[in-house]
Amino acid sequence: DQQVKQNSPSLSVQEGRISILNCDYTNSMFDYFLWYKKYPAEGPTFLISISSIKDKNEDGRFTVFLNKSAKHLSLHIVPSQPGDSAVYFCAASANNAGNMLTFGGGTRLMVKP
Amino acid sequence: GAVVSQHPSRVICKSGTSVKIECRSLDFQATTMFWYRQFPKQSLMLMATSNEGSKATYEQGVEKDKFLINHASLTLSTLTVTSAHPEDSSFYICSARQGTLDTQYFGPGTRLTVL
Repeated sequence: DQQVKQNSPSLSVQEGRISILNCDYTNSMFDYFLWYKKYPAEGPTFLISISSIKDKNEDGRFTVFLNKSAKHLSLHIVPSQPGDSAVYFCAASANNAGNMLTFGGGTRLMVKP
Repeated sequence: GAVVSQHPSRVICKSGTSVKIECRSLDFQATTMFWYRQFPKQSLMLMATSNEGSKATYEQGVEKDKFLINHASLTLSTLTVTSAHPEDSSFYICSARQGTLDTQYFGPGTRLTVL
């Protein structure tokens, strides 16, 4: 049973527009959520995170929104740039489970110039 | 962010041999290191968790005698794939964190190809 799901395997966006990547989770014990960006043949790079006590966290062009009641989070990238093209993984952890990360399946973002 | 390195970045070996992959945290002390495996076009799958100075905890389905993990110091963990077979060919990624509440930082990964 996948506890973290990214239902869109891919997303194509025009440069300068907003990219919205979605993530759903089922485990109500998750209290910390992260987004990682991954290029082929490289390890994931931490982008941004959010605690369950917040509903929004912003860092430059990246904003993560958390809707706890819907068990849904999203990553907004605006404006999107061609260099943002990568696979984005959302991950979740629970403090009572040693903060082990559970990853979603990833969404491949392609930003067209 | 913190820096985690892996060595080697790419290794090709013959079936039946053993391969050791190193994971180092370069600018922080990692009390916990994690080893992941990624198959093509799939997500990261956690293989095991290692805490410095203690035995690794393996995820269900991961053979601990095949994937030997050592976390001898706060900056180094090693994964040894013993008696490698072609089906062990994969991308292996480590990550490290300083404390339980800290962010995990990932290494660049190691591409293992077993002929």
